[in-house]
Amino acid sequence: DIQMTQSPSTLPASVGDRVTITCRASQSVSDWVAWYQQKPGKAPKVLIYRASTLETGVPSRFSGSGSGTEFTLTISSLQPDDFATYYCQQYNSYSTFGQGTRLEIK
Amino acid sequence: QITVKESGPTLVKPTQTLTLTCTFSGFSLTTDGVGVGWIRQPPGKALEWLGIIYWDDGKRYSPSLKSRLTITRDTAKNQVVLTMTDMDPIDTATYYCAHGSNIWVFDYWGQGTLVTVSS
Repeated sequence: DIQMTQSPSTLPASVGDRVTITCRASQSVSDWVAWYQQKPGKAPKVLIYRASTLETGVPSRFSGSGSGTEFTLTISSLQPDDFATYYCQQYNSYSTFGQGTRLEIK
Repeated sequence: QITVKESGPTLVKPTQTLTLTCTFSGFSLTTDGVGVGWIRQPPGKALEWLGIIYWDDGKRYSPSLKSRLTITRDTAKNQVVLTMTDMDPIDTATYYCAHGSNIWVFDYWGQGTLVTVSS
């Protein structure tokens, strides 16, 4: 199984900050990575797929990059609605999600 | 407009078999490149991918759960069914089904259904 390890697990930040979440794969997954945002009690919402392609309707402050084993999700200027938990997903070999990064208000 | 919705029991006993149904609208599961996936999330924990069924009736399962899972579809009813055998309290979770764009990117999710395993 391919493991996806996210860091940090918790990220305190303030509105307006630029934040980056990292996801490392235990083996190469090419660019078959997606990122999701989940708010309490809600289903996840896809933000990015194919490592860097922005899903339709997602604000441009979200961006993704990476290939192989290291991937990042960046939010360029945090908005109040962005405080949530973020998950990476690989779909190169079946599928695996990371353990999540909780973005919390500092 | 794509919608998906999970249905099934909220409580099952240990060793029992869980059967969940995903009823969807707004797409066909016979369209090339479409998948319907199942994902679960124990309370307060991370997402876990369980399995997926493709437009051509192909199926893939999580290797760690493969022996316990079966996914089937009824294209006439626009439904996908997940069966998980030998349920255990550690299987207590919210179970989601989701539409897979390019098969594996889950862009439309159901609201989830909480399944508790307890005697």
